[in-house]
This record gives sequence, structure tokens and C-alpha cells, in this order.
Amino acid sequence: DAKTTQPTSMDCAEGRAANLPCNHSTISGNEYVYWYRQIHSQGPQYIIHGLKNNETNEMASLIITEDRKSSTLILPHATLRDTAVYYCIVRAFGGKLIFGQGTELSVKP
Amino acid sequence: DTEVTQTPKHLVMGMTNKKSLKCEQHMGHRAMYWYKQKAKKPPELMFVYSYEKLSINESVPSRFSPECPNSSLLNLHLHALQPEDSALYLCASSQESGRETNEQFFGPGTRLTVL
Repeated sequence: DAKTTQPTSMDCAEGRAANLPCNHSTISGNEYVYWYRQIHSQGPQYIIHGLKNNETNEMASLIITEDRKSSTLILPHATLRDTAVYYCIVRAFGGKLIFGQGTELSVKP
Repeated sequence: DTEVTQTPKHLVMGMTNKKSLKCEQHMGHRAMYWYKQKAKKPPELMFVYSYEKLSINESVPSRFSPECPNSSLLNLHLHALQPEDSALYLCASSQESGRETNEQFFGPGTRLTVL
């Protein structure tokens, strides 16, 4: 599975959009981009995943560049409850979920 | 019911004790997972069960022994642990282990301390 690079930490003002970047320059054609988050003292929570098209659900949007070497997770209106560690994971079909170090997002009032 | 439950929430054990962690889901999922998470580190996969059979063991020491008695239950039996095994143990489940939409649902974890 390809490796991902994320900033260690980010801040975001409450009510503003949080844009979390992820680099996966060695991604293969059959690998998906997954995002999970882990709020303190809880288990990880699935957010969204995509292959090459942009995706949106009730939690977030996922923008994948045309060359698929990077992606951005967008939380459109961040709240204090979105403070968490966000993991970007590249995973082949049927492959294991391998967590990297993630980005610690702090949403501030 | 979209919940994975884990018991106990906290466990303190000595190095000579035998204990078990339990995990349960009622979503009809056929894949279940154990992860270990040390403080300020990401979760690391330990075991994967698919249709009640062990399909992946990530070279975990034999003092950790998983068991899947049925499709809803997953146990992790612990024996002769070391203090460095202290961690948060997370259970997860998904529809199947080899599908594209392999959304894994995680439990809240068991915080284990080995003295």
C-alpha cells in the first residue's frame, strides 16, 4: 500500500471550512484514498473514500487531483466537535487499513 | 444497530494473569479486526477474521490469542503479557474484508494496563 504524508497539526476557526491535505505520490491505479478520524479517547470513525472522482457525503467532501498524487478532505463548516486526528489512508481493493501519523486538527472558537 | 461494543472499558492485569477482551457487533458483518494503539501513535492491525476464520495475523506474539466463536463475537485472550503491551485495544468490523467499500466500524476500545 502506498504511503501518505500529512501535516502534523492544523488549526481551524469554528464555522470555517477545514481543508486537510494529503500527499500520496506513489499511489497505484487500483488504490483508493480513505479518510478516518479519531476523536480523543474514541475509536476511529470512517469519513469518506474515493478512487479518482471527487466525493461528497453528509460529513465531508474529498477532492482528488487529476494525477491522484494528492487529495484534500474538506469539512465545510467545522465545529468544536470536529477536533480530532484525521488519517488519510491509501488502500488497495481488499487490502489492509494501514494508519499513518495523521493530522491533529484543532477547531477553535 | 451500527455499534461495536467492547468490554471491559479498562483492564489492569499483572504479568502472570490471564484475561480476555470481548467485542460484539450485530450489523451482520462477516469481517472483524483487532488493532493495538499505543499513546499518541496510530492504530496498528493485529488480526483479521473473515467468516469466522483467521485470515491475517500480523506476526503478533503468541501471548495474544484471538478467537471468533461466532459471526457476532470476537475475543482476545491475554496471557503472560509484558508492561510494553499496555495500550488501547480496538475492535472493528466490516461487511467483508475484501470489498471496495470496506468501511470499518470501530468500538471505543479497551484501555489495558499491564503491571
